[in-house]
Amino acid sequence: AQSVTQLDSHVSVSEGTPVLLRCNYSSSYSPSLFWYVQHPNKGLQLLLKYTSAATLVKGINGFEAEFKKSETSFHLTKPSAHMSDAAEYFCVVSYTGGFKTIFGAGTRLFVKA
Amino acid sequence: DTGVSQNPRHKITKRGQNVTFRCDPISEHNRLYWYRQTLGQGPEFLTYFQNEAQLEKSRLLSDRFSAERPKGSFSTLEIQRTEQGDSAMYLCASSPGTGVYYTFGSGTRLTVV
Repeated sequence: AQSVTQLDSHVSVSEGTPVLLRCNYSSSYSPSLFWYVQHPNKGLQLLLKYTSAATLVKGINGFEAEFKKSETSFHLTKPSAHMSDAAEYFCVVSYTGGFKTIFGAGTRLFVKA
Repeated sequence: DTGVSQNPRHKITKRGQNVTFRCDPISEHNRLYWYRQTLGQGPEFLTYFQNEAQLEKSRLLSDRFSAERPKGSFSTLEIQRTEQGDSAMYLCASSPGTGVYYTFGSGTRLTVV
């Protein structure tokens, strides 16, 4: 069965410090993995996606994620947090041949001045 | 193309009333998805269409929920005899195919009073 676990429900960082949002997945198939961001009262915006090409994926706004098959992880990182990064982040798995995209429960990122 | 459009943005209705939401996907996307998101949770898959065919609807929450995509373009989601537990954000997304990123609309927030 496919599942996604976001290991932290809340992460708090200071502006200018690194961000790490953790995600583990379970999939019997070759997964496609995504990170989305949701600002308050807004829809979801795609940050980046992994679809079996390079394992280090660069996204928008300075975010990147590394696919580690041996660890079944797809953690999201950013070298330096900005106040505008404060939002909810969702790790998402989809799989080849399937129709359903499974969302993690989300990690809320707080950025302190 | 301005992306996925959802209307209305907000809907307040009395318990027992019927409501209908509309989603206009990106025109070249043949897949359309409906999700429900409750406070503090990730989006929950409801149903999806490939062109006008509804290929999965087992996740619709009850027989009070129904969705259509009559011409393979826009879609509607109807909830009959609304209940307070139906209060949530209803999200629509479209994609050009399997395992490819989704583009989400801004959602329709339903409040049942």
